[in-house]
Amino acid sequence: DSGVTQTPKHLITATGQRVTLRCSPRSGDLSVYWYQQSLDQGLQFLIQYYNGEERAKGNILERFSAQQFPDLHSELNLSSLELGDSALYFCASSVATGTANSPLHFGNGTRLTVT
Amino acid sequence: GESVGLHLPTLSVQEGDNSIINCAYSNSASDYFIWYKQESGKGPQFIIDIRSNMDKRQGQRVTVLLNKTVKHLSLQIAATQPGDSAVYFCAENMGSGAGSYQLTFGKGTKLSVIP
Repeated sequence: DSGVTQTPKHLITATGQRVTLRCSPRSGDLSVYWYQQSLDQGLQFLIQYYNGEERAKGNILERFSAQQFPDLHSELNLSSLELGDSALYFCASSVATGTANSPLHFGNGTRLTVT
Repeated sequence: GESVGLHLPTLSVQEGDNSIINCAYSNSASDYFIWYKQESGKGPQFIIDIRSNMDKRQGQRVTVLLNKTVKHLSLQIAATQPGDSAVYFCAENMGSGAGSYQLTFGKGTKLSVIP
């Protein structure tokens, strides 16, 4: 168990809808990262937060947004959903921002299916 | 395109034998590399990491080798066990600047252990 908790485990919704994915990082970790895993694209970095502030952005669509709250949990909001958004969404956390000896620890993901 | 790739998409190994999983990377500025193991239905699990100022690091039954000359990373698993069956990803940190930590993942190698 990595200590990173993601909810819900599965999510099925229709195109055009909006969903919120939730992540609780490991105790003591200040950084939260969101990744998308699809069959054709592999694991893609979306966005990183550190202690409530956005720190880095990857291949995140404008329809997607995220935030990290004072208690350090994070939410990823996906709107105007399209079929191609169906994927596994992983949250990861680490102690610091860019420390080389601070690997990311991943949750077990949310499987999103858009119909 | 991907800057981190894998030479072998699938690898079948007899139980008890040693496994070697290879990875090529293209960003010579990457300073940190990680190997992850992903089992079905779970998130990537940290195995071992290595910084660019090292060429070898050993863990429990695993060794990571880094050859910066040819931009090659390998994961060696000693005495492979059925529980080692999973998809293995290498990842490099392509973040730049303080606080930036963006892992780029390869597409993965599926390791199957034959009992």
